[in-house]
Amino acid sequence: EDKVVQSPLSLVVHEGDTVTLNCSYEVTNFRSLLWYKQEKKAPTFLFMLTSSGIEKKSGRLSSILDKKELFSILNITATQTGDSAIYLCAVEAPGYALNFGKGTSLLVTP
Amino acid sequence: ETGVTQTPRHLVMGMTNKKSLKCEQHLGHNAMYWYKQSAKKPLELMFVYNFKEQTENNSVPSRFSPECPNSSHLFLHLHTLQPEDSALYLCASSQEEGGTTANVLTFGAGSRLTVL
Repeated sequence: EDKVVQSPLSLVVHEGDTVTLNCSYEVTNFRSLLWYKQEKKAPTFLFMLTSSGIEKKSGRLSSILDKKELFSILNITATQTGDSAIYLCAVEAPGYALNFGKGTSLLVTP
Repeated sequence: ETGVTQTPRHLVMGMTNKKSLKCEQHLGHNAMYWYKQSAKKPLELMFVYNFKEQTENNSVPSRFSPECPNSSHLFLHLHTLQPEDSALYLCASSQEEGGTTANVLTFGAGSRLTVL
């Protein structure tokens, strides 16, 4: 059975800290891995990763995929209170809708 | 605003009620989805519609009944629900290319359902 595991499940940091969120997966015929951010509303798309070792970057957020070890990390540097959210990892295989992990709940305190 | 609008945002219903959740997308996408989000559990895919045809039904109980009258609208009809059905129901859409499931979903803000 396909599986997506995120860690940690929750995390509390101070503003300015750097955090690393993890996502490991076991999916047959992997096609892509996606990260979403969910505040108290719709999950919003952050990154899509398909190739190993190529970092995707958007401002203070970056992500990379390791298809050999079957995991991805999402880094957030110089965290701000607005980064507080649930971060969702999802993996896609051809012909199937996205398979999501439980999410990591991040709280950034002032 | 994501381009996917869900109503109502909050719904409280008894176990004998019948209600419906509505989703509308203004993105020109051709695939629509219902997901269930419960506390401490992954998003669970419920139904997928591609080109208005239901292509996936993840063993969802028959008390949930989807309807997709056109590629812009999706409904989830609810009847005789159980308290464990209380959750956030998320609608999403995507643009499917070439018969394979597209990968980037655009989500609505969700309908928070409480079953008493």
